[in-house]
Amino acid sequence: DAGVTQSPTHLIKTRGQQVTLRCSPKSGHDTVSWYQQALGQGPQFIFQYYEEEERQRGNFPDRFSGHQFPNYSSELNVNALLLGDSALYLCASSRRLRSSYEQYFGPGTRLTVT
Amino acid sequence: AQSVTQLDSQVPVFEEAPVELRCNYSSSVSVYLFWYVQYPNQGLQLLLKYLSGSTLVKGINGFEAEFNKSQTSFHLRKPSVHISDTAEYFCAVSVGSGGSNYKLTFGKGTLLTVNP
Repeated sequence: DAGVTQSPTHLIKTRGQQVTLRCSPKSGHDTVSWYQQALGQGPQFIFQYYEEEERQRGNFPDRFSGHQFPNYSSELNVNALLLGDSALYLCASSRRLRSSYEQYFGPGTRLTVT
Repeated sequence: AQSVTQLDSQVPVFEEAPVELRCNYSSSVSVYLFWYVQYPNQGLQLLLKYLSGSTLVKGINGFEAEFNKSQTSFHLRKPSVHISDTAEYFCAVSVGSGGSNYKLTFGKGTLLTVNP
């Protein structure tokens, strides 16, 4: 049973560019959440997708957008990259109607903005 | 809004010694509490969780935590640590209902270093 997978593992971009990160949830999961983890900090919630719609959003600007596909996989898009966007981006999946409250995290994508 | 404070950014201990990682939270409503571990260059792995019921929660790898509502704390403990426990530990809180419809709010993490 494959867990949560993310691609790519590492990415280097230049300020002002756009980036797309991808996430495949754990088998049987229908909800995907994205988190940003800056160096030396705890993860911060970006947004959550369920049934191909954004259901919750954290305190992130509109430059951060996402998408969920019918197979439950998800993308995180960041436009007009800033140096401060350099971070580890974590994807977490869960089953929405499951009362275990457990989110499974992927290994993350390390984004470096130069 | 909820918040989480991890009182120690770094905790060095010797192998086979006991350890306690401290976590305090603030919330105006009932919360669910979690401890996650992050090994270098990896994602987060759930150690244990408190949803309701017994305030003493046992998790994987010999860790346990105690929920104290009056002190708004959820400290993580292990009676005897191993070198392999060296990692970053994150306390997290969520406020939600109806299953997995929730977001996690994390503390800044505590780096546990176990020395031989």
